Amino acid sequence: NAGVTQTPKFQVLKTGQSMTLQCAQDMNHNSMYWYRQDPGMGLRLIYYSASEGTTDKGEVPNGYNVSRLNKREFSLRLESAAPSQTSVYFCASSEPGGPPNYGYTFGSGTRLTVV
Amino acid sequence: QKEVEQNSGPLSVPEGAIASLNCTYSDRGSQSFFWYRQYSGKSPELIMFIYSNGDKEDGRFTAQLNKASQYVSLLIRDSQPSDSATYLCAVTGNFGNEKLTFGTGTRLTIIP
Repeated sequence: NAGVTQTPKFQVLKTGQSMTLQCAQDMNHNSMYWYRQDPGMGLRLIYYSASEGTTDKGEVPNGYNVSRLNKREFSLRLESAAPSQTSVYFCASSEPGGPPNYGYTFGSGTRLTVV
Repeated sequence: QKEVEQNSGPLSVPEGAIASLNCTYSDRGSQSFFWYRQYSGKSPELIMFIYSNGDKEDGRFTAQLNKASQYVSLLIRDSQPSDSATYLCAVTGNFGNEKLTFGTGTRLTIIP
């Protein structure tokens, strides 16, 4: 049982380059999320998808786009990378409806450096 | 005002003692509260969630919730060196709205 799989694990980009972070879950969860984690800032929500075919902005969406390709996959795209986007990116999924099957399952993260 | 506040630490606790981690939140409509543990360089993993006032125990971990005071805490009994990690507090809105808002985390170090 793989859970939530993120690729790549590490990436170095030059300013202005583009890339897509991939995320897939095999738990049949409806909801998926992208967060970034920066020192002293905690985890901040970039975008989320409550179900297949829907996406919504989170707290820090500027400079990012997302695609919910199907129920399993939720990708995050940086169209023109900036040094301010250097961060660790986490994908997560959850099943709505409340306890007891509750809370996020996180992927292993992508450490992105923009130079 | 940050929505979820935690003392960033570091919090140092002797092995075998009780570690107490605290969290306050600003949204009175928050319904569910979570504690995640994150080891350095790893992803967060869920330790406990609580949604009713009072205490909830799971092994060495106890979560405490006081909605009137907008306060949630995590107690770790018989602390072990393997408990050394950053602990993240997170809250949601109503059931059906699972977006989590995270605190910045408290770094806990257990001293052998």
